[in-house]
Amino acid sequence: GQSLEQPSEVTAVEGAIVQINCTYQTSGFYGLSWYQQHDGGAPTFLSYNALDGLEETGRFSSFLSRSDSYGYLLLQELQMKDSASYFCAVMDSSYKLIFGSGTRLLVRP
Amino acid sequence: KAGVTQTPRYLIKTRGQQVTLSCSPISGHRSVSWYQQTPGQGLQFLFEYFSETQRNKGNFPGRFSGRQFSNSRSEMNVSTLELGDSALYLCASSLDSGSSYEQYFGPGTRLTVT
Repeated sequence: GQSLEQPSEVTAVEGAIVQINCTYQTSGFYGLSWYQQHDGGAPTFLSYNALDGLEETGRFSSFLSRSDSYGYLLLQELQMKDSASYFCAVMDSSYKLIFGSGTRLLVRP
Repeated sequence: KAGVTQTPRYLIKTRGQQVTLSCSPISGHRSVSWYQQTPGQGLQFLFEYFSETQRNKGNFPGRFSGRQFSNSRSEMNVSTLELGDSALYLCASSLDSGSSYEQYFGPGTRLTVT
């Protein structure tokens, strides 16, 4: 079967760094995406890793290790507005995007 | 460029009824995917359409169906509604199937079945 595992909740302090992990098991793999969703809002695309290594986009970075079926999203200099749910998603061999159940990030002052 | 639009935004239906939801993708996007989102369940993939053809289907019963028109607009239909169908239904578009890792989501249609 296909499955993605990520923590259900993470809490961090404003200004700190937080890492959200994602492990996956899918039939075929093209890459790992990350999406952010604020309460009441639609998911928005953050990043995509097709190859091993770190991709940086401003305060957000995403990492992938294909051999370990593992990736993470790193958020630096946390701001209150970063409080949201974060989803990892795998594009499988049929180009279907399979989402994890999401990690709720709470940023405290 | 206008974003993905979905209509209606809210819907209340009774068990046994059927419902049709509509999605207009970003101009130029040819792939449209549908997801069901319930609290704590993440986004469950329903199906994907590309050039009017269903290319992928998730693990949902046959009561869930969809179609795509020549202008890439898409509709999904749920027949014989059940209480468990209450959810946020999200539509997402991408340029084509190979770039489905980057999808643009609409605001969703919140369906309540009573």
